[in-house]
Amino acid sequence: QQQVKQSPQSLIVQKGGISIINCAYENTAFDYFPWYQQFPGKGPALLIAIRPDVSEKKEGRFTISFNKSAKQFSLHIMDSQPGDSATYFCAAEIKAAGNKLTFGGGTRVLVKP
Amino acid sequence: EAGVAQSPRYKIIEKRQSVAFWCNPISGHATLYWYQQILGQGPKLLIQFQNNGVVDDSQLPKDRFSAERLKGVDSTLKIQPAKLEDSAVYLCASSSEGRGYTFGSGTRLTVV
Repeated sequence: QQQVKQSPQSLIVQKGGISIINCAYENTAFDYFPWYQQFPGKGPALLIAIRPDVSEKKEGRFTISFNKSAKQFSLHIMDSQPGDSATYFCAAEIKAAGNKLTFGGGTRVLVKP
Repeated sequence: EAGVAQSPRYKIIEKRQSVAFWCNPISGHATLYWYQQILGQGPKLLIQFQNNGVVDDSQLPKDRFSAERLKGVDSTLKIQPAKLEDSAVYLCASSSEGRGYTFGSGTRLTVV
């Protein structure tokens, strides 16, 4: 059972544009929602995370929007740069259940110069 | 601090052979995870250790996969015998209380 669905699978954006990645989850027990960035040949690295009591979190050019009632959250990358070209994964976690991450399927982002 | 170390970086084996992966977590991190990442998919948890005890191995195919964490530090993941569908990147991660995950760079396994 896929508990976290991510879309789109890939996207191409021009330098300076906005990248938007969406995720939907099913399990209402999830209480922590991180986003990971993965470059080829590397492991995922934590980018930004949010808890469900907050509707938005911003760190630099990266913003998470969270809609608890719709069970959806999204990552916005503002002023996208070629160095942002990577695969992005949303994930969900139940803190009390041992911090096990359930990942979405990933979005490959290509930023064209 | 040093990151999560994994070896080997790449491994090619024939089906039905055995293979082992090694992970050295960040010093002091009590929790260690092994994830399987099939090409084009998100990582999937195989097993979680807390110190040297298994917390969750519900998604580990125990007929062919085994893992251990000796002395609560290093860990090895073994596959015996390997199948074609085991081709994937095997990621090790560690965490400590109140801190997020740190992933290693993974071992890319190709079964031919």
